[in-house]
Amino acid sequence: SAVISQKPSRDICQRGTSLTIQCQVDSQVTMMFWYRQQPGQSLTLIATANQGSEATYESGFVIDKFPISRPNLTFSTLTVSNMSPEDSSIYLCSVRQGADLYEQYFGPGTRLTVT
Amino acid sequence: GQSLEQPSEVTAVEGAIVQINCTYQTSGFYGLSWYQQHDGGAPTFLSYNGLDGLEETGRFSSFLSRSDSYGYLLLQELQMKDSASYFCAVRVYNQGGKLIFGQGTELSVKP
Repeated sequence: SAVISQKPSRDICQRGTSLTIQCQVDSQVTMMFWYRQQPGQSLTLIATANQGSEATYESGFVIDKFPISRPNLTFSTLTVSNMSPEDSSIYLCSVRQGADLYEQYFGPGTRLTVT
Repeated sequence: GQSLEQPSEVTAVEGAIVQINCTYQTSGFYGLSWYQQHDGGAPTFLSYNGLDGLEETGRFSSFLSRSDSYGYLLLQELQMKDSASYFCAVRVYNQGGKLIFGQGTELSVKP
């Protein structure tokens, strides 16, 4: 299993600013993912972040808006840039310890409110 | 692309059995997973079907039929703590098997 922590747990931000969310895992993992979840909604994949390569973004998400870093096998950051109220959501980090494994672990999430 | 459909809400009483269905359209996938998420919590893994058939884990079972593009999660001996949202998800072939989630089913267990 993997234990994931995220910082901050929640934040209230002004529109036009940026917020960087940190994801720390207690073990080395191959694959990391960033998801967005509106309250009461499903999880939408933003991007896949594998160490040593550029993040792969899903349709509707772009690097300029959601830059991601993955400097090592236990850490990643997601930045939400130039925020608008539509970015208000819960952002979740998720990991899988191997490409051939099926169980994914999720962090507690970062609840972002943009005013 | 991929799409997964689940009922939005299910209500059942303590001690009962409930089945949450998931129908999907996807071009190719490794398997179907189920995740549980309590209000305000992180999704947690429940079950995985890589092959057709039934997988049993305690009070929870999951089923997959690739020919019918259908799966379900079966919860037995329901408890109040089972009130949560349940998501089916497919692990697709590309990008190292990324996980795509259904819309989720909110299960309410009544006394």
